[in-house]
Amino acid sequence: AQSVTQLDSQVPVFEEAPVELRCNYSSSVSVYLFWYVQYPNQGLQLLLKYLSGSTLVESINGFEAEFNKSQTSFHLRKPSVHISDTAEYFCAVSEIGGNTPLVFGKGTRLSVIA
Amino acid sequence: GAGVSQTPSNKVTEKGKYVELRCDPISGHTALYWYRQSLGQGPEFLIYFQGTGAADDSGLPNDRFFAVRPEGSVSTLKIQRTERGDSAVYLCASSLTAGGNTEAFFGQGTRLTVV
Repeated sequence: AQSVTQLDSQVPVFEEAPVELRCNYSSSVSVYLFWYVQYPNQGLQLLLKYLSGSTLVESINGFEAEFNKSQTSFHLRKPSVHISDTAEYFCAVSEIGGNTPLVFGKGTRLSVIA
Repeated sequence: GAGVSQTPSNKVTEKGKYVELRCDPISGHTALYWYRQSLGQGPEFLIYFQGTGAADDSGLPNDRFFAVRPEGSVSTLKIQRTERGDSAVYLCASSLTAGGNTEAFFGQGTRLTVV
């Protein structure tokens, strides 16, 4: 079984400041890693994912996340946030090689302040 | 439609009543998932279908919850004898195939309130 811990339930940050949203996971098997975003009044959308290869993955809107196997982490970062980044962010894992569903963390609410 | 569609978007029901929540997945997607999201929590897995069959229903909390997908497309989540603790947002997702590396697309959810 897998579990995901998002250490911060809320993160307020000023516009154009950097941000890091933390995610740690626990699993007895190898996993794929995901970050999903939920903008106000919208459904969950995939932001980025790590499947294999380079441990640093990027999204089209400037977010990046780095898979650290030794620390079982997949923290999400952005060097300069915008008001439009205000949303709830969910880290998730799924088992490699298995048809298992996504296991989500509790989410981190990012609030960008003008 | 272009995305996953869930109806109704909001449902208020009285304790003890029966409710049905509907999910229309993206056309051609064989895998369909139901999740429940309570306030302040992340989505919790309920059940997933591969085609018409329930491949994993280990997340259903008790026998009041049941889901079907009779033709391998639309799915209905059914809740009998609703309780106040069932109040949550019920999310549906679909993916082209099952498998952890396949992107899941989510609907906007049905907000169920049991009064």
